[in-house]
Amino acid sequence: NAGVTQTPKFHILKTGQSMTLQCAQDMNHGYLSWYRQDPGMGLRRIHYSVAAGITDKGEVPDGYNVSRSNTEDFPLRLESAAPSQTSVYFCASSYGDEKLFFGSGTQLSVL
Amino acid sequence: SQELEQSPQSLIVQEGKNLTINCTSSKTLYGLYWYKQKYGEGLIFLMMLQKGGEEKSHEKITAKLDEKKQQSSLHITASQPSHAGIYLCGADSNAGKSTFGDGTTLTVKP
Repeated sequence: NAGVTQTPKFHILKTGQSMTLQCAQDMNHGYLSWYRQDPGMGLRRIHYSVAAGITDKGEVPDGYNVSRSNTEDFPLRLESAAPSQTSVYFCASSYGDEKLFFGSGTQLSVL
Repeated sequence: SQELEQSPQSLIVQEGKNLTINCTSSKTLYGLYWYKQKYGEGLIFLMMLQKGGEEKSHEKITAKLDEKKQQSSLHITASQPSHAGIYLCGADSNAGKSTFGDGTTLTVKP
């Protein structure tokens, strides 16, 4: 099992551009979530999903969209990137209320 | 890469007892975060420590970072059932990368 796979590892965007951060898990976990990590603020949840077809907003959802068409994949889309979205993004999964498994992170810079 | 080792993996305590969770790194920590995981709520940010010897408290939870900035402890005084959950430490390295411990599952028996 690969666990939680995030791509890309690094990316630079210009303001107004769009992109999709990919997250895939092969552990048959129902729960998938996206977090952003900013200095001094720790991890903040953006969106999450408890099962395919179900998504919900986290603490900081504005400017981000997600979809969950199957169990494995949970892409995070930035439609019109802003400099405030410069951050490190983590995807995490779990089986029910068990421990979270994290991807390796995506470092995103918006210029 | 920086590895974070958390101990214990799980802990069962009687209500009212004190407990400590540890998070150890092989390298210097530049930012150490403690979170509590609650199902349906994701990770709840508890505290962040940056300076060697730093100590922070919130209600009955105290977190410390040692002088060498390689070990942090989370101490809960007079535990309550509401403290039950999974506690996770996370850290920044000087390369700007982040890593996480495996988590400690805490059960508090009434």
